[in-house]
Amino acid sequence: QKEVEQDPGPLSVPEGAIVSLNCTYSNSAFQYFMWYRQYSRKGPELLMYTYSSGNKEDGRFTAQVDKSSKYISLFIRDSQPSDSATYLCAMSARSNAGNMLTFGGGTRLMVKP
Amino acid sequence: GAGVSQSPSNKVTEKGKDVELRCDPISGHTALYWYRQRLGQGLEFLIYFQGNSAPDKSGLPSDRFSAERTGESVSTLTIQRTQQEDSAVYLCASSGSGRSPLHFGNGTRLTVT
Repeated sequence: QKEVEQDPGPLSVPEGAIVSLNCTYSNSAFQYFMWYRQYSRKGPELLMYTYSSGNKEDGRFTAQVDKSSKYISLFIRDSQPSDSATYLCAMSARSNAGNMLTFGGGTRLMVKP
Repeated sequence: GAGVSQSPSNKVTEKGKDVELRCDPISGHTALYWYRQRLGQGLEFLIYFQGNSAPDKSGLPSDRFSAERTGESVSTLTIQRTQQEDSAVYLCASSGSGRSPLHFGNGTRLTVT
C-alpha cells in the first residue's frame, strides 16, 4: 500500500462547478501538506501549503487537513477550463531531511466549457 | 525572476548508453532535489542536496544512478547503462532554507529505446 493515496480520475466537471480533490495517507508523522498543479509537459506548480490540521483559503482554492482521519482535501470554487490539469497532493514529516516530499499519484481534472 | 531550469527538455537514447541531465536551481536556494515521474504516476524521490552537506541518496533506484552538485549551484544527474524502465520525466526542484516550498523545473523527458 502506498503512503499517500489519490484517485487518478479523470474527474470531469462543467465550468463553474465546485471541485473536490482528496488524498488519504498512512504516515501519522506527516505535518506539512501541499497541493501542486501540473499542466501537461510542465513541472508541478505549488498551489497551497498548510501546516497541521485546519483550513486555508487562497482565492478560489481552499485546502483542508484532517489529521485525525489522515485525509486532506482541495476545493476549487467556480472552476474554469484553465483549471484543467493534474493535481498532486504532497506531504512531509518534521523528521524528513529538508522538505523532502511524498507525493500522491495525482488526479486529472477536466473542466468543460 | 528565473525559475528552475533543466536541460535538455527531451532526450532520446539507446539502451546501454549513459545520459547526463542538468539542473540550474533558483539563485540563492540552498536545497536541491531530483524526482522521477513515470507516465501517469506521482513523483518518486531520488536524491536531496543541502548546501555542502553529504547528499541524501536514499531514493536512488540502483547504482547506475548518481548525482553531483557543485556548492549551491548546478546539479547533474547521471544514469549509466540506461534501461527501458528508466524512461520517465526527471524533475529537479530547489528550495530555500527550512520548510520552504519546493519550486520545480519543467523536467527532462527521457526515452530509452
